[in-house]
Formats: sequence, structure tokens, C-alpha cells
Amino acid sequence: EAGVAQSPRYKIIEKRQSVAFWCNPISGHATLYWYQQILGQGPKLLIQFQNNGVVDDSQLPKDRFSAERLKGVDSTLKIQPAKLEDSAVYLCASSPMGRLARRSTDTQYFGPGTRLTVL
Amino acid sequence: KNQVEQSPQSLIILEGKNCTLQCNYTVSPFSNLRWYKQDTGRGPVSLTIMTFSENTKSNGRYTATLDADTKQSSLHITASQLSDSASYICVVSANSNDYKLSFGAGTTVTVRA
Repeated sequence: EAGVAQSPRYKIIEKRQSVAFWCNPISGHATLYWYQQILGQGPKLLIQFQNNGVVDDSQLPKDRFSAERLKGVDSTLKIQPAKLEDSAVYLCASSPMGRLARRSTDTQYFGPGTRLTVL
Repeated sequence: KNQVEQSPQSLIILEGKNCTLQCNYTVSPFSNLRWYKQDTGRGPVSLTIMTFSENTKSNGRYTATLDADTKQSSLHITASQLSDSASYICVVSANSNDYKLSFGAGTTVTVRA
């Protein structure tokens, strides 16, 4: 079974530039997550999709971050404009969690992440 | 506020030795606790999951324990190998409608030959 795919793996940009990350979840997984992981910290949820609808985006800095999940499959996360403090690894995860799944023990499968450096 | 605290922040052990990582949480109401292993440059991978009624769970040389009364968990690594060098993250799920996850900052383990 193919895992969660992310691209690019690394990205270096200057502050105030724009950047976009792409995620392809495991086939059939209903739920998709974007996390921000700053060096030395645990992942922080940015946004959660259930199919193509947003479930939770309470920690997404909406003035500069945006995300979409077209057709309930692939997703893109965009930062515009980037700030120095956005330097982090951006992790995408997916889980089977759907209407009939046991949400309490639903496992999230993570992609390798995109390491963003903002200069 | 739901929090997850891990200790130590990092540790170095010799190959073949054992080690224990700690996780304390304040997440309430509690649903389940997972330990994830995150290799450098990769995403976290789930090692174990424990619900309220479980107090121990093993996955090969990894054994996790849970004390739901004191809200503490530990991850014990037996006979460490070089491939165990990674960050170990404790993740606690709240028993709410969205089962929101709270992540610890992780413990970085370095195994040396």
C-alpha cells in the first residue's frame, strides 16, 4: 500500500514570497490533516479535512495560510506571504476516519513532510 | 488546557541498553494515548495505542504503559539498536466529538555503538 506522498521535500524561499505544498493521501482515506512542526516541538494541527470539507481550521493563520482539498483527494497548503517564523516541517497525514470508522482509535498515517526554510 | 509533557528532552544510550521515556498529560476527558516514532527527515509512525482500560501494550522491543489515574505513560525500549535513534512523540486524544489530538514535544533518543 502506497503511503502519504508530499512534495516538494525541501523548499527555501525569502520572506514575503509565496510557497505551496502538495499532499496525496493514502487511497480511500476520508480525512486529511496538515501539521506544522517547528524544530524541537511536536506537530501542531493547522487544518483538518473530512472528504473535501473543513472540519477544523482553528489554528490556521488565515491571513497568510490557505488550504484546499479538491474532490476530496489531493490537497495543497499555501503560504502567502511567508514570514521567518514559518520555517518548519509541514506534515500531511491521512486517516481512514469516515462515517463508519471508529474515530476514537483511528490511526493517522504521516507523509515524509516538506522542510521549509524562510530566509 | 490539554497538555502533554515529555521527559527527558533527549537522551543518549549505548547499543544493547534499555531506556524509558516518560509522558505526563492533562488531557481530559481521555480517549487514548499513542506513542509515535519519528525518524530524522520522516513523518511519525504509530508504535502503540492504548485506551483507558489498557495499562500495557507491546510492539516488539517497545513496551508502553499507561496509568490513567495518574495520567502518566512510559515507553520502554529494550536492547536498543542503532535504528532506534529517533524522536519519540506521545500523543493523547481527547474523548470529545472531534477526538482532538494533543502532541508532546518528543524525546530524542540517540543510540551509540
